[in-house]
Amino acid sequence: DIVMTQSPDSLAVSLGERATINCKSSQSLFYSANNKNYLAWYQQKPGQPPKLLIYWASTRESGVPDRFIGSGSGTDFALTINNLQAEDVAVYYCQHYYSPPPWTFGEGTEVEIK
Amino acid sequence: EVQLVESGGGLVKPGGSLRLSCAVSGFTFSSYSMNWVRQAPGKGLEWVASIFSSSTYTYYAESVKGRFTISRDNAKDSLYLQMNSLRAEDTAVYYCARAGGNWEYFSDHWGQGTLVTVSS
Repeated sequence: DIVMTQSPDSLAVSLGERATINCKSSQSLFYSANNKNYLAWYQQKPGQPPKLLIYWASTRESGVPDRFIGSGSGTDFALTINNLQAEDVAVYYCQHYYSPPPWTFGEGTEVEIK
Repeated sequence: EVQLVESGGGLVKPGGSLRLSCAVSGFTFSSYSMNWVRQAPGKGLEWVASIFSSSTYTYYAESVKGRFTISRDNAKDSLYLQMNSLRAEDTAVYYCARAGGNWEYFSDHWGQGTLVTVSS
């Protein structure tokens, strides 16, 4: 099974500054046949279901602000939140969807305002 | 607008059974694979099971294999999760989620979730 490891567990960032969350997979998520990385990022605010932010490692879901940027390839990925806003306070999860399952999630990273 | 509404959660004793349902609207249900994802109180997300659009393929987390069954009725735009031999560690909010496509098992739309509590 592919293990997803996120870091840090939590981070506090000042409003307007940048937050970077890392996600490392135990196996490559890159599929050469279609040149894609099978990695998604989600945001979960308290009391709400998760919301998809990024898929294919760097494709932003419709309606997601462009301050959310997904990057990386192979086994190392990152979610960068530029110009952090108060509404970005949440827990962020990465998930791989490379077959075969299980399609595991990272443990989550809590983002707070400093 | 894509909508997913779960139902069927509740309190059940260890060893008991429960059937979750997810009614969907706003998209062509028969064209998408579907996922169940759960979240134990205060914990992270755990993928539980997935089903192909035509039900041809089903996939399960090892933690639920042999106890849970995912199914769907494309005529009723509904997804199900039959949960048997429930354990305390199955206590969680269960989310129904639409997969990104037929073969892309990230979740692009989520329901609000239904709470399952396994306790004596």
